[in-house]
Amino acid sequence: AQTVTQSQPEMSVQEAETVTLSCTYDTSESDYYLFWYKQPPSRQMILVIRQEAYKQQNATENRFSVNFQKAAKSFSLKISDSQLGDAAMYFCAYRSAIQSGGGADGLTFGKGTHLIIQP
Amino acid sequence: ETGVTQSPTHLIKTRGQQVTLRCSSQSGHNTVSWYQQALGQGPQFIFQYYREEENGRGNFPPRFSGLQFPNYSSELNVNALELDDSALYLCASRSGLLVHEQYFGPGTRLTVT
Repeated sequence: AQTVTQSQPEMSVQEAETVTLSCTYDTSESDYYLFWYKQPPSRQMILVIRQEAYKQQNATENRFSVNFQKAAKSFSLKISDSQLGDAAMYFCAYRSAIQSGGGADGLTFGKGTHLIIQP
Repeated sequence: ETGVTQSPTHLIKTRGQQVTLRCSSQSGHNTVSWYQQALGQGPQFIFQYYREEENGRGNFPPRFSGLQFPNYSSELNVNALELDDSALYLCASRSGLLVHEQYFGPGTRLTVT
């Protein structure tokens, strides 16, 4: 079974600065997808960024980018020019590329990192 | 807003009772997944439905069951509620099994006393 580990329960950053959230995962599969989700106090999960394991190029979405290290099984999220609206819980998630009708069909989440933005 | 809605927003039940939670998928989405998120934890996959059939299940007992209707709305039913069932229940919809971007609803907060 796959596992996702987020070792930083909480991170704090000054507004306009850059912060990096860490995520490591364990899998024996070679093809999979990785995601970062944001969950604000409103509770609704919002997809921030997605990375396909077969792509070497790191995904980027505006101020959000990832550092995907497949051999190290590491998938960190960098937020540049932090804004007050970025404050939320951030979850790293894994999904197998093979849909077999079992438990691996769903997303496997880490425990999350609470990001605080200091004004 | 993702277009995925859930009802009720929150509810309180007593141990041993049964509960039904509802999810309305985004238009055109035929695949729905349900997750349980305990306080301070990441969501855990319960099961998913594709075109009204269960297609994928996580490590949850049979007292967690579901339905998906022809309009792709869905229900999560939990029988014989236990205190540990207290959690936020999230549903997420997407437009097919091979589509990886899924849209989450705001969740239902269930408290079991």
